[in-house]
Amino acid sequence: AQSVTQLGSHVSVSEGALVLLRCNYSSSVPPYLFWYVQYPNQGLQLLLKYTTGATLVKGINGFEAEFKKSETSFHLTKPSAHMSDAAEYFCAVTNNYGQNFVFGPGTRLSVLP
Amino acid sequence: KAGVTQTPRYLIKTRGQQVTLSCSPISGHRSVSWYQQTPGQGLQFLFEYFSETQRNKGNFPGRFSGRQFSNSRSEMNVSTLELGDSALYLCASSLVRTDEQFFGPGTRLTVL
Repeated sequence: AQSVTQLGSHVSVSEGALVLLRCNYSSSVPPYLFWYVQYPNQGLQLLLKYTTGATLVKGINGFEAEFKKSETSFHLTKPSAHMSDAAEYFCAVTNNYGQNFVFGPGTRLSVLP
Repeated sequence: KAGVTQTPRYLIKTRGQQVTLSCSPISGHRSVSWYQQTPGQGLQFLFEYFSETQRNKGNFPGRFSGRQFSNSRSEMNVSTLELGDSALYLCASSLVRTDEQFFGPGTRLTVL
């Protein structure tokens, strides 16, 4: 069975500071990994994804994530936080074996002026 | 290309009633998944349909059901509503089952 954990249900950073949102997964087969962002009263929007190939993945809005198999991690980073980054972020895992997406519990990011 | 649409956006029902939610996927997408989102439980997978067949099902009671039509549009039905069914119900579509999912804005269901 697959699972996702996200360390920290709420993370606060200052505007301009580094954003680091943690995601660890469990999967018995090679995972496909995703980060989604959700703004209030909206659906989820894909930030980036890893399926195969390069382990450092760049996404929209300056975000990137690195797949580390040895650490079973897929942490999301952004060098400089912007006020508009304040939202809820979800890490998700699936695979190429027909299993459904499994989402983590989410991390709410606050950006302080 | 139009995104995933969900109707209605808001719904208020009373306990014991039933409700049907609708989802129209992005044109060409054949996979549709449904999720329940609540503050306490987060995003929970309900079921996935692909080419009119249910491929995966989450851990929800039989009161929750769904179906997919030949044009890939999907509906989910909740019978005998309970207060705990109040949630945001999200629909997502994808071109193939392992690809990124595109989410609709959700239907917010309130059960009184």
